[in-house]
Parts: sequence; C-alpha cells; structure tokens
Amino acid sequence: GAGVSQSPRYKVAKRGQDVALRCDPISGHVSLFWYQQALGQGPEFLTYFQNEAQLDKSGLPSDRFFAERPEGSVSTLKIQRTQQEDSAVYLCASSPLAGVILNEQFFGPGTRLTVL
Amino acid sequence: KQEVTQIPAALSVPEGENLVLNCSFTDSAIYNLQWFRQDPGKGLTSLLLIQSSQREQTSGRLNASLDKSSGRSTLYIAASQPGDSATYLCAVLGGFKTIFGAGTRLFVKA
Repeated sequence: GAGVSQSPRYKVAKRGQDVALRCDPISGHVSLFWYQQALGQGPEFLTYFQNEAQLDKSGLPSDRFFAERPEGSVSTLKIQRTQQEDSAVYLCASSPLAGVILNEQFFGPGTRLTVL
Repeated sequence: KQEVTQIPAALSVPEGENLVLNCSFTDSAIYNLQWFRQDPGKGLTSLLLIQSSQREQTSGRLNASLDKSSGRSTLYIAASQPGDSATYLCAVLGGFKTIFGAGTRLFVKA
C-alpha cells in the first residue's frame, strides 16, 4: 500500500519568502508528526496532530512556523519569512493509533529545504 | 528534559561480524522506544518498536533490548552485511513528543 508521501521533495527559497510543505499520511492514520532534521543530526520534534487537533506544538522553533491538518488527513507545514537557519530536511510521520502507547511511526521521504 | 545519546557515533566493521549499537536516555518515564534506519537522502524506516513493558523485540537478524531502569537500549545486528550500511537512530516516546538520538553511522565492508 501507499506510504507517507511529502511534496515537494526539494525546495529552494530566498530568505524572507514563505514556503508550504505538504504531507500525505497513510490513509486512515490518526496521528501525524512533523520533524526537522539538520545535517548529521537526528530528527527534532516539531508538532503532533491527532486527527485535526494539534495536541502538541512545543517543538515549533518560532512563531514563523505554523502547521495545520484541517480535515484530519493531509497536513501542511508553513514557514513564513524563511531564514537561513531554517534550511533542513522536514520529515512527516504518521501512526495508525491515537495516543502514544503503541504508536509505531511511519516516515515519509522528507522535504529538503534550502534557504539562500 | 529527555536526552537521548547514541554510542558510537560511527562504526566500521567487516562483513559477517556481529555488532551492538547503544542508546541511552535520561528520563525513564517513556512509553516506547523505536529503532530506525536511515539511508542517505531518504526518510526513516522502522526496524523495531519496544513497548515500555517489554524487554526485547526481535526481527530477523535484529534484536533490540530495553532496560528502562538504567535508561538503556541496545540494537544487536547478527552476521552484518554490506546492505546494513546506514545510519541507525533510536527514538524514545514520552507523551506526544518523540526524542531522537543523533544516530550511529554504520559501514559494513565487503
């Protein structure tokens, strides 16, 4: 079956531009996570959705970052007024269950964002 | 604040060797621990998930153990192959936030 997909796979933005990154989770998955991965580092948690509800956004680095999942499936991560330090790979993951006890996460291929 | 550390940061072994990757975490109040592999330029592939009440999980040549009280997990890879070359990441889940280690870069020489 189809896995988690993300688009675009690569994005180059000029400093100050707004960008929108899309995540299509596995159909029927309740939970959705966004992560930021810098080169040579492990992914860092950004935010968590359970269906359409954003239950944890404690990892968003600034108010320039905004995520939504309005219908409980597709999610968009938006970054306003991009800065060079936003350059990273943005990973999306989904899980079939709500909550955390048995939540195996399945990852998409990521979007590599480069801010010039 | 939960911190996850993986040792070693990099490892090079000859084909056929058995090896152990280590993961330690500072807060034992976790729900589960998951091991992933990541190939260059790719997303993460789940290898094993250990619930907090479990002590180990096995899949093929892989065995992962969990000792919550000491804050440690190990990933054992038997009879390593060149195709095992990748970065291995462990992640702990406590609440909704998942905390990853920086990974161990493994190279298996043919």
